[in-house]
Amino acid sequence: GQNIDQPTEMTATEGAIVQINCTYQTSGFNGLFWYQQHAGEAPTFLSYNVLDGLEEKGRFSSFLSRSKGYSYLLLKELQMKDSASYLCAVAGYSTLTFGKGTMLLVSP
Amino acid sequence: EAGVAQSPRYKIIEKRQSVAFWCNPISGHATLYWYQQILGQGPKLLIQFQNNGVVDDSQLPKDRFSAERLKGVDSTLKIQPAKLEDSAVYLCASSPGSGIGNTIYFGEGSWLTVV
Repeated sequence: GQNIDQPTEMTATEGAIVQINCTYQTSGFNGLFWYQQHAGEAPTFLSYNVLDGLEEKGRFSSFLSRSKGYSYLLLKELQMKDSASYLCAVAGYSTLTFGKGTMLLVSP
Repeated sequence: EAGVAQSPRYKIIEKRQSVAFWCNPISGHATLYWYQQILGQGPKLLIQFQNNGVVDDSQLPKDRFSAERLKGVDSTLKIQPAKLEDSAVYLCASSPGSGIGNTIYFGEGSWLTVV
C-alpha cells in the first residue's frame, strides 16, 4: 500500500518563495508526480521525479529523496494565479496514488 | 491534440437512482483511469484499464459501481444505485503506453450531486 502526507493549507505573498513538502511510504516506487489543480478544474501536470535530486522548470522546481521518502515542490516569484491545490502523487508498481493536496493561497 | 473528453459535465440525481459517465481518452493512449474526487480531497483511483483489460479495481465499490472499456478506447462508469456519499467529481484520465512513469492527462471531470 501507499501512504502520502502533505500539509493541508499554506499561505504566501505575491513575489515570495514557497516550499510544499510531501512524504510517502510505498511498497513499490516508480516516480513521484506533482499536479496543480485550480478550483473547479482538472489536475494539470507540473513535474515528475524518478531519480534523486532537483528538477527545475521555470518558476517551479521539484526535489526527490527516495531514501527519505520525501519530495518538495518549490514555487518562486509567486503570482496570484498560483493560488491552487498542489497534489503529490506516487507511482507504485502499476498505479498512481494521490495525496489529499495542499491548498496554497497567494495574497497581494 | 484533443484532450480527454468526458460527459456529462454535471449531473444531479436522487439517491437510489442510476447514472452513467462517458470518457473518450486521448487518441492512442493505452491506459485509462477513473478517479473519484470528493471536495477537499485528492483523487482516489476507482479503476485502471490497460487497453480493455482491468489493471486495478481494488477500490471500486463493486456492489454499486461498474466500468467497462469496450474495444480499448471509450469507457463508461456506472453507479447504481447512487448514495449521498457518491457526490463527487469523477475524473477520467489517460496515459500513453503501459509504464507507470508516464504522465497522465485528466479530463475536466463529471460533477455528480446526489440529493
